[in-house]
Amino acid sequence: DAGVIQSPRHEVTEMGQEVTLRCKPISGHDYLFWYRQTMMRGLELLIYFNNNVPIDDSGMPEDRFSAKMPNASFSTLKIQPSEPRDSAVYFCASRIRGNTEAFFGQGTRLTVV
Amino acid sequence: RKEVEQDPGPFNVPEGATVAFNCTYSNSASQSFFWYRQDCRKEPKLLMSVYSSGNEDGRFTAQLNRASQYISLLIRDSKLSDSATYLCVVNPLNSGYALNFGKGTSLLVTP
Repeated sequence: DAGVIQSPRHEVTEMGQEVTLRCKPISGHDYLFWYRQTMMRGLELLIYFNNNVPIDDSGMPEDRFSAKMPNASFSTLKIQPSEPRDSAVYFCASRIRGNTEAFFGQGTRLTVV
Repeated sequence: RKEVEQDPGPFNVPEGATVAFNCTYSNSASQSFFWYRQDCRKEPKLLMSVYSSGNEDGRFTAQLNRASQYISLLIRDSKLSDSATYLCVVNPLNSGYALNFGKGTSLLVTP
């Protein structure tokens, strides 16, 4: 298996633009997580899905953030409109119920200017 | 207050040294505990799980003290390749399978 795949790896956008981050979890994993990492706050959980259903989105900072998981092999995190304070590394991770390890993608480094 | 607290370091140690990291967590209902390792500009990866009885994996030893809500990681005979950020991770009982991460402790092993 190729592991968790995220795209793009890097994104530079102007303030106010829409940004869409993509994630393909490991096949067979029924949990998918979106995290954001900054120097100030570390890794923060934004939202997670179980069997494509959003379970907890309390970490989503504002209504500008939305996430979807239309099927078991694909998820998106959208920011609209983007702001400079959204600049961070966004990680997607997946996990099997009962399995201890969460596998992370390589992350998307987002810069909003 | 963050649920998982770690000393950010950095810890600068010579090769061959023994170094210990500590971590505290606030949710007493937490059920699973881990140490993850993150190399510079890379994704976090599982280093080891932490069990109440303590567990060892080669040069690495992890301990859990539920009464004090305290987790530790000991690295013996440090190698240059151990240089990384070590993340303390907790899975609270009421969070499903979501993991709460500490901000990490930075380790630099020098020749």
